[in-house]
Amino acid sequence: SQQGEEDPQALSIQEGENATMNCSYKTSINNLQWYRQNSGRGLVHLILIRSNEREKHSGRLRVTLDTSKKSSSLLITASRAADTASYFCATDEAAGNKLTFGGGTRVLVKP
Amino acid sequence: EAGVAQSPRYKIIEKRQSVAFWCNPISGHATLYWYQQILGQGPKLLIQFQNNGVVDDSQLPKDRFSAERLKGVDSTLKIQPAKLEDSAVYLCASSMDRGRSPLHFGNGTRLTVT
Repeated sequence: SQQGEEDPQALSIQEGENATMNCSYKTSINNLQWYRQNSGRGLVHLILIRSNEREKHSGRLRVTLDTSKKSSSLLITASRAADTASYFCATDEAAGNKLTFGGGTRVLVKP
Repeated sequence: EAGVAQSPRYKIIEKRQSVAFWCNPISGHATLYWYQQILGQGPKLLIQFQNNGVVDDSQLPKDRFSAERLKGVDSTLKIQPAKLEDSAVYLCASSMDRGRSPLHFGNGTRLTVT
């Protein structure tokens, strides 16, 4: 079963625009992580936000976490063609100690 | 540091045949994971090892899938016999600390069952 569900499933933007994707989950978590996957490759870790944190930045990435709404968002600012990839949220469930991935958001950045 | 190594990169087999995948995690990583990723979907956890012990295999189809982690380092995942619905990418990942540190993924093995 999938803990996290991303929205939208797909996103197409122009280079230079911002891309925002959301993740909703169902049960209590220790932390939430975002990963990127380029076509034909493994997943690459982007950022980890703990349950007691509300916002985190890393370069052009901004992640927010609202545990009351059980949701998170990932913002990519000033997107580049190289940001074209699938983005997945993953939740470290408080009960069970395992990382569960959502279905992903496919982002296309057009040059 | 060297990344997670997986082999083979691609495998094509007929249904009812058997297949095995190999994974070498990052040195020093105690936790090792096998995920199945069907095209267009997110990775689904099949099995999680802490050193050479199984932590979670609740979603592993045990009638056909098996996995082991010898000496707490390398791991193999086997499917016997394969079904058409096993066509997927099998991803291996490792982490220093179960759940609380990022996962490092290999590039996966793409399995096609015909």
